[in-house]
Amino acid sequence: DQQVKQNSPSLSVQEGRISILNCDYTNSMFDYFLWYKKYPAEGPTFLISISSIKDKNEDGRFTVFLNKSAKHLSLHIVPSQPGDSAVYFCAASKGGGSNYKLTFGKGTLLTVNP
Amino acid sequence: DAGVTQSPTHLIKTRGQQVTLRCSPKSGHDTVSWYQQALGQGPQFIFQYYEEEERQRGNFPDRFSGHQFPNYSSELNVNALLLGDSALYLCASSLFLAGGRQAYNEQFFGPGTRLTVL
Repeated sequence: DQQVKQNSPSLSVQEGRISILNCDYTNSMFDYFLWYKKYPAEGPTFLISISSIKDKNEDGRFTVFLNKSAKHLSLHIVPSQPGDSAVYFCAASKGGGSNYKLTFGKGTLLTVNP
Repeated sequence: DAGVTQSPTHLIKTRGQQVTLRCSPKSGHDTVSWYQQALGQGPQFIFQYYEEEERQRGNFPDRFSGHQFPNYSSELNVNALLLGDSALYLCASSLFLAGGRQAYNEQFFGPGTRLTVL
């Protein structure tokens, strides 16, 4: 039972354009959502997060949007850079603290072409 | 400041054997979580240790066990290895904060141990 779904295994964009990565969840108890980025041979690195009481959170080139009614979130990267090429994981938790386990999607491989 | 470190980097075992993986948390962290990432999948939560006790557990059989030491480092043990246990095992460390919610869920991941079961 996949509670966090990333339906696009891969995405390819041109440098300078917008990258949009999507994520859906089924468990209405989730109230905190995160995006992690993973390069080969490295562990996932925290990128940005959003609480369920918000619908948008920005950090530089990265913006996460949350649509609770649709149980959908998206990560926008503008402008995309070749160094952004990595696997992006969407994750969710019941509770925002570090005490809580994360439920991950399968990931989306983003390739940014120069 | 060293981040989360894991050892070994790679490991090859045969079915039925036992394996121990090790994790040292980021300096200042006291909580360790373990995740299994099978090929083509996202990381799956195995369990979390705080104050040398297992605090939360995911949907993994008892063959998976762990330990946390007084210096906050942790071990993951897997007994009676199966082919399906082949995966990347990730350790994440964090600081346990009692009480209400924090601004974000800061778990720092190590590079992982790649386990291959033949």
